[in-house]
Amino acid sequence: EIVLTQSPGTLSLSPGERATLSCRASQSVSNNYLAWYQQKPGQAPRLLIYGASSRATGIPDRFSGSGSGTDFTLTISRLEPEDFAVYYCQQFGSSPWTFGQGTKVEIK
Amino acid sequence: EVQVVESGGGLVQPGGSLRLSCAASGFTFSSYAMSWVRQVPGNGPEWVSSISGSGDSTYHADSVQGRFTISRDNSKNTLSLQMNSLRVEDTALYFCAKGGGSRNYYLHYWGQGTLVTVSS
Repeated sequence: EIVLTQSPGTLSLSPGERATLSCRASQSVSNNYLAWYQQKPGQAPRLLIYGASSRATGIPDRFSGSGSGTDFTLTISRLEPEDFAVYYCQQFGSSPWTFGQGTKVEIK
Repeated sequence: EVQVVESGGGLVQPGGSLRLSCAASGFTFSSYAMSWVRQVPGNGPEWVSSISGSGDSTYHADSVQGRFTISRDNSKNTLSLQMNSLRVEDTALYFCAKGGGSRNYYLHYWGQGTLVTVSS
């Protein structure tokens, strides 16, 4: 089973700042099948990025994904008020698909 | 508009069974993998089961292997999860999610979930 470790656990930033979230895999993610999701309280997760770097439909271009192999990054170039939420990475290259434990982006 | 709507959750005793359903609309159902993911409030999501678009491939988490069975009826645009031998630790909000392709298992669209509570 591939274990995904996200860091930091919490990121305290102000609107307009840049956010950099990390997701590290315990072994290489096949075909870079790595996705990022955003979740707000009381809502289902929403897909942001798939295939490590492809933005999902309707996702603003301030969200970008990068990385390969075992190290992946989600970058939010300029935080908007609606971006404060919890972010999860997920690998879907090798069964069992697994999630990271999440990074909370909170308002400083 | 893509929609997936879960149903079938409820309160069940340990050792009991429950069948969850997911009604899909707004896309060609048979062309997309489908998955079940659960989440305990306050915790991160946990993948449970997935099935390919044609239904010829299924995958289950080790924690539910042998107890849960995922299936689909492409003629009725419906996904199901048969849950047997339920345990207290299966208590969670269960989401149905549409994949990115027939054998592409990222979770493109999620429903709002159905709550399963296992308790005596």
